[in-house]
Parts: sequence; structure tokens; C-alpha cells
Amino acid sequence: EEQLLESGGGLVQPGGSLRLSCAVSGFTFTTYAMSWVRQAPGKGLEWVSGISPSGDTTYYADSVKGRFTISRDASKSTLYLQMNSLRAEDTAVYYCAKEAYTNYPNFDYWGQGTLVSISS
Amino acid sequence: DIQMTQSPSSLSASVGDRVTITCRASQTISIYLNWYRQKPGTAPELLIYAASSLQSGVPSRFSGSGSGTDFTLTISSLQPEDFATYYCQQSYSTLYTFGQGTKVEIK
Repeated sequence: EEQLLESGGGLVQPGGSLRLSCAVSGFTFTTYAMSWVRQAPGKGLEWVSGISPSGDTTYYADSVKGRFTISRDASKSTLYLQMNSLRAEDTAVYYCAKEAYTNYPNFDYWGQGTLVSISS
Repeated sequence: DIQMTQSPSSLSASVGDRVTITCRASQTISIYLNWYRQKPGTAPELLIYAASSLQSGVPSRFSGSGSGTDFTLTISSLQPEDFATYYCQQSYSTLYTFGQGTKVEIK
């Protein structure tokens, strides 16, 4: 059974940094692209960043480009999101999501989310 | 970026009703369109991918249609667990984007 478990969320001051982790199990981590998707309190879903199965290609939403870095460690079956220069508007639940292996990309499995709060 | 616009933003319906939600893309996206359901306090779950393909394990009351810029999600007979928020998402561009969501509430 595919499982994704996020960790690393918490309360951080504006301008601070945080690293999120997503440990996966139940599937071959190196076969699938992965993404981070966030949801601000009471708001909709926002795709944040994605990474190819090998980790050599990454993608970012304009709202986080230059501040966030996505990476993956095959030996640990873990996805990461390094978040720097955090702003109040980055406050959200952050989900990691597995991308299905298909010609038409979609997110077939999601973690339970980890809450990131940016406040002084 | 490709903008996704859903309508309506919210609707009220009763158990057993037929419900239709629409999603429009700001440019053509072929059939690179997915639908998700999100129940309160939980992660989203995939319902439909490639505009009309039903995800494994998803009840057949859910169906999707459309191509190009206009898409539809239909729930043929609304069940209690379907009172939730629904999102469309395009995967035509590598910079994925979601619609703003449609909240389905109990009438």
C-alpha cells in the first residue's frame, strides 16, 4: 500500500527557513515524479513544485521560485522541500503527492499534510 | 501560466441529485485534466484523470467529459460522502495549476 508521510512543519518567523520531508513507502520511489501542493487556511489547492523521478529536473510555481528548493533522496525514499525567505503568505498545509505513471500526469496518492505557519 | 476557472464556486444539493461542475482552461489543454474531491480536514483524492478516465476504486456515479478548454464533472446521484470540495487540475503544462474549487453543500 502506497504511503506518504510528511513532517517538518511548524511555526517560523518571516524571513526564516524550514525543511519539509515526505517519507514514502509501498512503491518504487525512483520510478515516479513527485510534487508539493499547498493549501492556505480556508483556501484552494496550489501546486508549489515538482521533481522528475531521477531528480535531475525540477519545476516551481512563480510564487516560490528562487526561495524554495525541491529535492529527493533515493536511498531514503524521501522527498524534501527546502523553504527559505518565508513570508506570511506561505502559511499553509503542505502536501506531498505522487504522480501516476501515465501519459496524462495526475496525483494518485497524497500524504496527510504538514502545517507551516509564518508569523512573528 | 494556464488559468483554470471552475463554476459554480458553490452549490447546494440533496442526496440523490445529479450534480454538474464545469472547469474552463485559459488555453487548450487537450485532455490533460484531472478532478479531485477533498473532504473537510483530509487530503484530496483523485476521481478522474485524462478528462474522462475513472480512477481505480472510484464509484461509477462519477464521470468526466470534455477536451480542449471546457470540461465537466458529473455526479449522477449525490451520496452523503460527496458533500465536499471539488477541484480540477491541468497537467498540460509542467507548471500544474488547479481551479479555485467548487464546494458542494447539503440543501
